[in-house]
Amino acid sequence: EDKVVQSPLSLVVHEGDTVTLNCSYEVTNFRSLLWYKQEKKAPTFLFMLTSSGIEKKSGRLSSILDKKELFSILNITATQTGDSAIYLCALNTGNQFYFGTGTSLTVIP
Amino acid sequence: DAGITQSPRYKITETGRQVTLMCHQTWSHSYMFWYRQDLGHGLRLIYYSAAADITDKGEVPDGYVVSRSKTENFPLTLESATRSQTSVYFCASGSAQETQYFGPGTRLLVL
Repeated sequence: EDKVVQSPLSLVVHEGDTVTLNCSYEVTNFRSLLWYKQEKKAPTFLFMLTSSGIEKKSGRLSSILDKKELFSILNITATQTGDSAIYLCALNTGNQFYFGTGTSLTVIP
Repeated sequence: DAGITQSPRYKITETGRQVTLMCHQTWSHSYMFWYRQDLGHGLRLIYYSAAADITDKGEVPDGYVVSRSKTENFPLTLESATRSQTSVYFCASGSAQETQYFGPGTRLLVL
């Protein structure tokens, strides 16, 4: 069974749009939830979330965790073509990392 | 140059052969990880290491062996390669579990 499920699987938007990517999980006891961006090669770290309700922001990207409802969202505002990538969500249980299969985002000029 | 490197970047081998994928980092990070990435499965943790001489199994360790005699190196060995081990392999390192920096990946094809 998948411990981390991301939705949608893929998304195509126009530059300037705002997108919301979802990550739901079934593990209740975990250390942190992480978001990564994967372009053509290796994933790069975006955010780490450990507490429910605290928003993390970096420029146009923001993320929040809801431990009660077991999900996290990643928001990207004013999207740019450079945001086109696969966005991965991962759960750190302390002795395992579980990744979702990712959301493929394509931003059209 | 500082960073994390993997070698080889591409490898073709045959079923039953032993293959070793190398991972080297220059940051002196305590943690190192090996993942495989396959369509439909995303990234799956194979093994990780919290420090030299300490290794632990991840989600999919069967068919793989690791060692960590030095902090900077974390080789992954497929003792007898199978077609199901065709994948892209990523190594990562970090000063903490969460802060993982990924290498460029190794594409492995087992015929």
